[in-house]
Amino acid sequence: QSVLTQPPSASGTPDQRVAISCSGSSSNIGINAVNWFQQLPGTAPKVLIYNNDQRPSGVPDRFSGSKSGTSASLAISGLQSEDEADYYCAAWDESLRIWMFGGGTKLTVL
Amino acid sequence: QVQLVESGGGVVQPGGSLRLSCAASGFTFNSYPIHWVRQAPGKGLEWVTVAWQDGINKDYADSVKGRFTISRDNFKNTLYLEMNRLRVEDTAVYYCAKRDYWGQGTLVTVSS
Repeated sequence: QSVLTQPPSASGTPDQRVAISCSGSSSNIGINAVNWFQQLPGTAPKVLIYNNDQRPSGVPDRFSGSKSGTSASLAISGLQSEDEADYYCAAWDESLRIWMFGGGTKLTVL
Repeated sequence: QVQLVESGGGVVQPGGSLRLSCAASGFTFNSYPIHWVRQAPGKGLEWVTVAWQDGINKDYADSVKGRFTISRDNFKNTLYLEMNRLRVEDTAVYYCAKRDYWGQGTLVTVSS
């Protein structure tokens, strides 16, 4: 497995809370930190979460990350229309020696 | 503030070569591993390579091993990617990335 597993799509209504999952294995998420990235249409990816649950300065606290075992989750509370984007997770894989990415989740705000 | 600024992208024929640069500022460059990550048109993110802090240890994706070489100059705060024997499938936006910040990317197009 060379890709972390994410749902291809997710959706929610304004003000709702949504969660995006990311599943890996004992050689990546199980032992290393998880990153989450947001990519708005036509723009470069932006780091939302690093080290499982840390937000870079400027990222709203509506975005939060968590990890349990070999899975991680990105939660977005108070969903806004500008949150409509692609979201990716990533974690370093110790066995393959690669930074493994998820396939991405397209979030739609209804 | 943290900045990662990529340059060097362009159009090249299959089999050709290109050298990308990533100029870093606003943080202690030699304290962090720095990655190259690419994104082909309409596709997801694909990790390419990483140069660890010492500049000696490096890792590569199988898809570029033997063709691409990453290096870093910890005095100039600059990361490089030497790309040889380029293929059409290497066409992508190439991003320079650290764990908490990414650059804006530079486009590499491999086409005859």
